[in-house]
Amino acid sequence: GDSVTQMQGQVTLSEDDFLFINCTYSTTWYPTLFWYVQYPGEGPQLLLKVTTANNKGISRGFEATYDKRTTSFHLQKASVQESDSAVYYCVLGSNSGTYQRFGTGTKLQVVP
Amino acid sequence: DTTVKQNPRYKLARVGKPVNLICSQTMNHDTMYWYQKKPNQAPKLLLFYYDKILNREADTFEKFQSSRPNNSFCSLYIGSAGLEYSAMYLCASSSRAETLYFGSGTRLTVL
Repeated sequence: GDSVTQMQGQVTLSEDDFLFINCTYSTTWYPTLFWYVQYPGEGPQLLLKVTTANNKGISRGFEATYDKRTTSFHLQKASVQESDSAVYYCVLGSNSGTYQRFGTGTKLQVVP
Repeated sequence: DTTVKQNPRYKLARVGKPVNLICSQTMNHDTMYWYQKKPNQAPKLLLFYYDKILNREADTFEKFQSSRPNNSFCSLYIGSAGLEYSAMYLCASSSRAETLYFGSGTRLTVL
């Protein structure tokens, strides 16, 4: 079946550090891919999405490239701030387009 | 107003007793979802309503029920709670499976 994998459970960075969160997926089709972010006490919210292979999504300084060759959708940010501390989920859209499947999430902690 | 509301925020239940969680949205979205989130695990899709059609995941088919009396409301029902049901339950809605809009969740503790 389809799946999405995030190997990093937690990442701790200092302000202005470069962020890289790994995400890979396994499907038999070309899915829509999403990154959601969840701040403490809130539900997840959309950060960015990409519907077409080899395209890049950009939002709030974050970017992710849909790489169909490596089946990856890594999240990057050049310079993180303390306010970026949250849990980041890589998410896979279903083939039917009716639901979305979440990865295990990566908790980012940014220290001043 | 992109708001999904869940009630209550915290719920305590006894083993063997029923549990009913409520979700509402005012965006006229066609689809409403329920996810279960446990520590160090991915949010797990339990079921979703597309319009009036209920779709339940195969591995949780018998554990959860749901109803959607109108477009705005959706409930999640557990007939007999067990300790393994303790988790955060997240409700979400979307239009044509695009962006999911989540509520803040209901944290269920079963004792």
